Amino acid sequence: ILNVEQSPQSLHVQEGDSTNFTCSFPSSNFYALHWYRWETAKSPEALFVMTLNGDEKKKGRISATLNTKEGYSYLYIKGSQPEDSATYLCASLSGSARQLTFGSGTQLTVLP
Amino acid sequence: EAQVTQNPRYLITVTGKKLTVTCSQNMNHEYMSWYRQDPGLGLRQIYYSMNVEVTDKGDVPEGYKVSRKEKRNFPLILESPSPNQTSLYFCASSSTVAGEQYFGPGTRLTVT
Repeated sequence: ILNVEQSPQSLHVQEGDSTNFTCSFPSSNFYALHWYRWETAKSPEALFVMTLNGDEKKKGRISATLNTKEGYSYLYIKGSQPEDSATYLCASLSGSARQLTFGSGTQLTVLP
Repeated sequence: EAQVTQNPRYLITVTGKKLTVTCSQNMNHEYMSWYRQDPGLGLRQIYYSMNVEVTDKGDVPEGYKVSRKEKRNFPLILESPSPNQTSLYFCASSSTVAGEQYFGPGTRLTVT
């Protein structure tokens, strides 16, 4: 079982603050890294799928970077809004596996 | 509308009474999987399927069965449910194993 770790476990920020969190994963035999946004009482929704070292992806105020050599990815939120409050999950897929392994998530609360 | 459906959404049952949670997707996806979500543990994969008649164990398969007779359906079967299977269950599908996962709405199961 791959060990995918996310930090911090939870985070409270004020509206307008920028924030970031980390996903670390085993770098050997890396294939893909996913980020999902999971709002309370809803289902996880995909934000990004990243495969290349140095990849940077952006969707509105949210962006992500990937370092496959050292096994980490950062998710950034610029100018946080209350509607950004959610749990952010990352998941890693290794080349030899056929299943995603999820981290336990970072729970973000944006205070108005 | 592209979607993954699950039924039932909520279920309370007793130990030992066989049950099936259905999952269906209308996106012609080849890859489908079942996850359970427990507090502090994140999403853990129970079973996955690469295509029709091809299923494989995930990280926590004990006490569960699945079948994939048609591409669109991937039911989860609990032959003899036990209280430690009380959890929130998600079905997901994707076009490939590395592609973004589309999650169903979730099934909250309580086994007494």
